[in-house]
Amino acid sequence: QKEVEQDPGPLSVPEGAIVSLNCTYSNSAFQYFMWYRQYSRKGPELLMYTYSSGNKEDGRFTAQVDKSSKYISLFIRDSQPSDSATYLCAMSGWIKAAGNKLTFGGGTRVLVKP
Amino acid sequence: AAGVIQSPRHLIKEKRETATLKCYPIPRHDTVYWYQQGPGQDPQFLISFYEKMQSDKGSIPDRFSAQQFSDYHSELNMSSLELGDSALYFCASSPSGGGNTDTQYFGPGTRLTVL
Repeated sequence: QKEVEQDPGPLSVPEGAIVSLNCTYSNSAFQYFMWYRQYSRKGPELLMYTYSSGNKEDGRFTAQVDKSSKYISLFIRDSQPSDSATYLCAMSGWIKAAGNKLTFGGGTRVLVKP
Repeated sequence: AAGVIQSPRHLIKEKRETATLKCYPIPRHDTVYWYQQGPGQDPQFLISFYEKMQSDKGSIPDRFSAQQFSDYHSELNMSSLELGDSALYFCASSPSGGGNTDTQYFGPGTRLTVL
């Protein structure tokens, strides 16, 4: 079983809808949580970075972390066709002072239809 | 803003050949990470460096080696290439020594095809 689980999708929504993405994890050592967006054949682009449980909002994006349930979410409001991409959750733990590796979920492919 | 630079962007090699991938981190970033992403898969951590020293190691084959230089750029050396090495190789950099403020910024990747 993978340390981080993410529904692969694809998730298809109409333009303007809210996109809801989530990941579950099993390793309690994970302390830092990130969401990346990856377009086809491109590098992952950092969208959100959170540490504590609760909500963090940045423009149309809201990230939620529930450490007690080992569950994180990303919401995209007013979705646009340009949001069509693969969304990867990633996590790291404070294991050492430098070079903490990221453990990724498998990614969810999102398609926003005009 | 300056981003992570990787070269080459595309590389085609034959089995048993060697390949060298280069990564230039964002200015003032001192930590570099390498990830491998196979077709339809999520990125898998290979190795990381902080201040020119290896700081963590993942599922990197013994055929691969890497180092970070005094200007903080990094090179991933791959020998005895196998068909299964065909993948996207990403480099990421972070602005501090990592730890609890570690945010990694990814480059565009090098697409390696082994024939």
